[in-house]
Amino acid sequence: DAGITQSPRHKVTETGTPVTLRCHQTENHRYMYWYRQDPGHGLRLIHYSYGVKDTDKGEVSDGYSVSRSKTEDFLLTLESATSSQTSVYFCAISESPSAGEETQYFGPGTRLLVL
Amino acid sequence: AQSVAQPEDQVNVAEGNPLTVKCTYSVSGNPYLFWYVQYPNRGLQFLLKYITGDNLVKGSYGFEAEFNKSQTSFHLKKPSALVSDSALYFCAVRDSGKLSFGAGTTVTVRA
Repeated sequence: DAGITQSPRHKVTETGTPVTLRCHQTENHRYMYWYRQDPGHGLRLIHYSYGVKDTDKGEVSDGYSVSRSKTEDFLLTLESATSSQTSVYFCAISESPSAGEETQYFGPGTRLLVL
Repeated sequence: AQSVAQPEDQVNVAEGNPLTVKCTYSVSGNPYLFWYVQYPNRGLQFLLKYITGDNLVKGSYGFEAEFNKSQTSFHLKKPSALVSDSALYFCAVRDSGKLSFGAGTTVTVRA
């Protein structure tokens, strides 16, 4: 999985609690992404980062925040988890895009269940 | 509007037969197209991409894809499918600087 780890791999939590997922890379890639995967929707981008402390929203960013204090780590936080955030979360990395050529490489995923 | 569409939720083929997974796209400008495969309980693995050049792109595990600009398609193909090719396949297109994924096609190859 291209030098990308995600933790935890599985988590069960209750509605209203905060949750933080971690993505760690050893490839020194500049760009990092968080996606969620839901049946019938493919992968949808939540947030992404284009450098340390540089982040931007994706198409489904409501209810999520991110932080990137080091090149190798990208954190995704659910401020107050809801059942609609039950999903599988994937982190991805890519080198700096050059005219749109970047290939994204994915981590193994985190399965989150919000009760 | 959806940038990429995979019209088939499921594709079933017999081992040894040709496999085709369909993808159509809708973006302005030159398309950058990708195929990924996901095995159960795993992350997505990159198979191949089209940026420019030859319309037939060869990738990992014997897969190839054909870019057709007039039909705005990028279908994934394998001449002879294996049971181990059974997985979930995603087409993606670069759209507004980000990757937009199709809903995925589940491929089942029966022995």
